[in-house]
Amino acid sequence: AQKVTQAQTEISVVEKEDVTLDCVYETRDTTYYLFWYKQPPSGELVFLIRRNSFDEQNEISGRYSWNFQKSTSSFNFTITASQVVDSAVYFCALSGWGAGNKLTFGGGTRVLVKP
Amino acid sequence: GAGVSQTPSNKVTEKGKYVELRCDPISGHTALYWYRQSLGQGPEFLIYFQGTGAADDSGLPNDRFFAVRPEGSVSTLKIQRTERGDSAMYLCASSPTFGQGETQYFGPGTRLLVL
Repeated sequence: AQKVTQAQTEISVVEKEDVTLDCVYETRDTTYYLFWYKQPPSGELVFLIRRNSFDEQNEISGRYSWNFQKSTSSFNFTITASQVVDSAVYFCALSGWGAGNKLTFGGGTRVLVKP
Repeated sequence: GAGVSQTPSNKVTEKGKYVELRCDPISGHTALYWYRQSLGQGPEFLIYFQGTGAADDSGLPNDRFFAVRPEGSVSTLKIQRTERGDSAMYLCASSPTFGQGETQYFGPGTRLLVL
């Protein structure tokens, strides 16, 4: 069975602070894919990043960065210099080779960025 | 180009009624997915189509739920004898192919409320 855990339910920061969202996953598959999605108040899930299990390179995209560590089964997400527009719920998700293409989501972390 | 569209955006119905939720995937995408998201939780997989056929319907909660995709494009999720517990956001996603680990692009969702 696959499982994704996002232990932080809500994080509140002041604008320009950095915020790190934790994601821990469980899977028996050796080939799997990890994703992060953003869900603003409008409700639509917005794709942010996809990583496969063989690529442990960290990635940076603008103010966003991701730290993938297979040794600890974690795929953490950092927003640098947060802005009010970053306020949303962020979901980590897993797609395992043995589970077909269905995504298993974590419970989400609500980020509130105050001006 | 146009993203995934879902209609209606909101649906209010009475317990026991029948509802249909529609999803129009991104043009040319062959894989289509349905998820259900209860308030404060992450989305949960319902069903996934490769072309016209349901490749995995293991997430459908019971036989009141059914989905079709007759021409390999638009899909309809059908719920019979609705119950108050069916109230949730229903999300549709599509991906270019049905290859493993393909990124899924989500629509804005249909918020269903069963009174």
